[in-house]
Amino acid sequence: TQLLEQSPQFLSIQEGENLTVYCNSSSVFSSLQWYRQEPGEGPVLLVTVVTGGEVKKLKRLTFQFGDARKDSSLHITAAQTGDTGLYLCAGDNGAGSYQLTFGKGTKLSVIP
Amino acid sequence: KAGVTQTPRYLIKTRGQQVTLSCSPISGHRSVSWYQQTPGQGLQFLFEYFSETQRNKGNFPGRFSGRQFSNSRSEMNVSTLELGDSALYLCASSPDSSGNTIYFGEGSWLTVV
Repeated sequence: TQLLEQSPQFLSIQEGENLTVYCNSSSVFSSLQWYRQEPGEGPVLLVTVVTGGEVKKLKRLTFQFGDARKDSSLHITAAQTGDTGLYLCAGDNGAGSYQLTFGKGTKLSVIP
Repeated sequence: KAGVTQTPRYLIKTRGQQVTLSCSPISGHRSVSWYQQTPGQGLQFLFEYFSETQRNKGNFPGRFSGRQFSNSRSEMNVSTLELGDSALYLCASSPDSSGNTIYFGEGSWLTVV
């Protein structure tokens, strides 16, 4: 069974601070996705990383896929209150169907 | 382009009852997958349908079932409801089954009392 461990589980920071969220597994994934979910809504895809060592930037968010494709990180620079939400990583084992394995998420609160 | 639509958004059921949840995917999307989200377990894969065929099934008991219609709309059914079935049920759709980009609906909140 593939598992994804996310850390930290909860994170509360002041606006303007930087933060990093980690997603680790002992399994190899063909791709890894990051989602943000706000209360009462479904997860929204932020990025998909496919190649080991890949780094993708989305404004103040930087996503990295580990060289061995077993782990990933999300770094937010100068956090804003609008970044508040649940961040989820999800791994795709490449079997050709949408059986994604999700981490339990990091609940981020950015305090003004 | 309309997003993934799930109905109903909220419902309360009694233990032992059964429930049917509906999902209309984005127009043109043929793959529909279902997930259960709870505070303790996070999002867990239930099943995925592509062109009316179940492609994959997660580790859930047989009380959980689903189907997909020719217009790609999907339903999932949970029979003999238990308190532990209380959760947010999320449907996601994609144009194909390559496992890259999926779009989630807002979910159906099920409370079992």
